[in-house]
Amino acid sequence: SQELEQSPQSLIVQEGKNLTINCTSSKTLYGLYWYKQKYGEGLIFLMMLQKGGEEKSHEKITAKLDEKKQQSSLHITASQPSHAGIYLCGAVLPDSNYQLIWGAGTKLIIKP
Amino acid sequence: DAGVIQSPRHEVTEMGQEVTLRCKPISGHDYLFWYRQTMMRGLELLIYFNNNVPIDDSGMPEDRFSAKMPNASFSTLKIQPSEPRDSAVYFCASSLHGMNTEAFFGQGTRLTVV
Repeated sequence: SQELEQSPQSLIVQEGKNLTINCTSSKTLYGLYWYKQKYGEGLIFLMMLQKGGEEKSHEKITAKLDEKKQQSSLHITASQPSHAGIYLCGAVLPDSNYQLIWGAGTKLIIKP
Repeated sequence: DAGVIQSPRHEVTEMGQEVTLRCKPISGHDYLFWYRQTMMRGLELLIYFNNNVPIDDSGMPEDRFSAKMPNASFSTLKIQPSEPRDSAVYFCASSLHGMNTEAFFGQGTRLTVV
């Protein structure tokens, strides 16, 4: 969806390196969700952010929502092969009838 | 719980045929969502149910698409007649409290219409 822009579209990272994926909206987000998808499989929930300035971590993945609630970043520290996959952000927008709108996804490849 | 279960995992059908996709949500989840994922359009919400009642079907592309949820443990998405442009991966997801909570996705059904 163009309402949620994800960048980059794809990313190739050497194992052990850090990386950041961004999700940006021109509108204030009511809630921001990060999911991960492995090829041929369903989406797996990673984190949900609702408050401006909120930050959550799970293992080596940290997600932040900016104060204006219009941008979120997903940061992976010391990447591993298990981090490879497609990362999608989803958000509830003011005029989306409380439906989740999804970004196009960021494809992450980890080079050994 | 085994998670959200979808069947079949893969479906290849000829244009014009009827296709039925099935979903068993996680027990106790009140919300069920049907999504379609394609390279061109990404992930799109087709329809969602709350307590077996369809709440919003504005994402259903055409009248050829229909979805039902006869009980809390089963839902179907039907395409009749199918067309090549319906080829996509269809996901079913369920959640406890709706849009603002974690959704659990099934493995998806990869549909190919030839």
